[in-house]
Amino acid sequence: GDQVEQSPSALSLHEGTGSALRCNFTTTMRAVQWFQQNSRGSLINLFYLASGTKENGRLKSTFNSKESYSTLHIRDAQLEDSGTYFCAAEAVGSNAKLTFGKGTKLSVKS
Amino acid sequence: DPKIIQKPKYLVAVTGSEKILICEQYLGHNAMYWYRQSAKKPLEFMFSYSYQKLMDNQTASSRFQPQSSKKNHLDLQITALKPDDSATYFCASSHRRGADEQYFGPGTRLTVL
Repeated sequence: GDQVEQSPSALSLHEGTGSALRCNFTTTMRAVQWFQQNSRGSLINLFYLASGTKENGRLKSTFNSKESYSTLHIRDAQLEDSGTYFCAAEAVGSNAKLTFGKGTKLSVKS
Repeated sequence: DPKIIQKPKYLVAVTGSEKILICEQYLGHNAMYWYRQSAKKPLEFMFSYSYQKLMDNQTASSRFQPQSSKKNHLDLQITALKPDDSATYFCASSHRRGADEQYFGPGTRLTVL
């Protein structure tokens, strides 16, 4: 089965609002990355976490290895936040292989 | 300036032909990777290299052959192309292999007719 379960698959926000994306893991992960895939298809690094919480502007991410999940919080959403967000995690013993979730397609509307 | 260069950006090939996808990274990283994103599957890991040596191969087919001529290069040769090979191929790199942040190139979008 899938090692990385990402939800929701799609999300619509009005400008200025916020929400959370979540990834659940079915195996022990040593680290997680979050990416935004923009309209050109490029993968933009948002966060890399081996544990704990990081914050960058309007984005905040948490990784809890023991409870096997990671979250990405977006606050005060802007139009340019639209895109597809992926979590990707490295399983213990996987030798750097990142396993990606299926993505969350975010649409921010004015 | 782009730190990871992939060439070409778009590629159209006919079934049965052979193509080489180019990747160069200017981040000074020692580990490089290939991933694939298709319409049918999420982004999936293909290969990892460390100091120009193949470390992990998750592809089921020998038609996919990575080639590392220099430390910062990792090309991908695909032979006997099939329509199912149509996908965007991403090259990535990290300072070390494992427990380190990976950075992705812009991708090569391959269409096999």
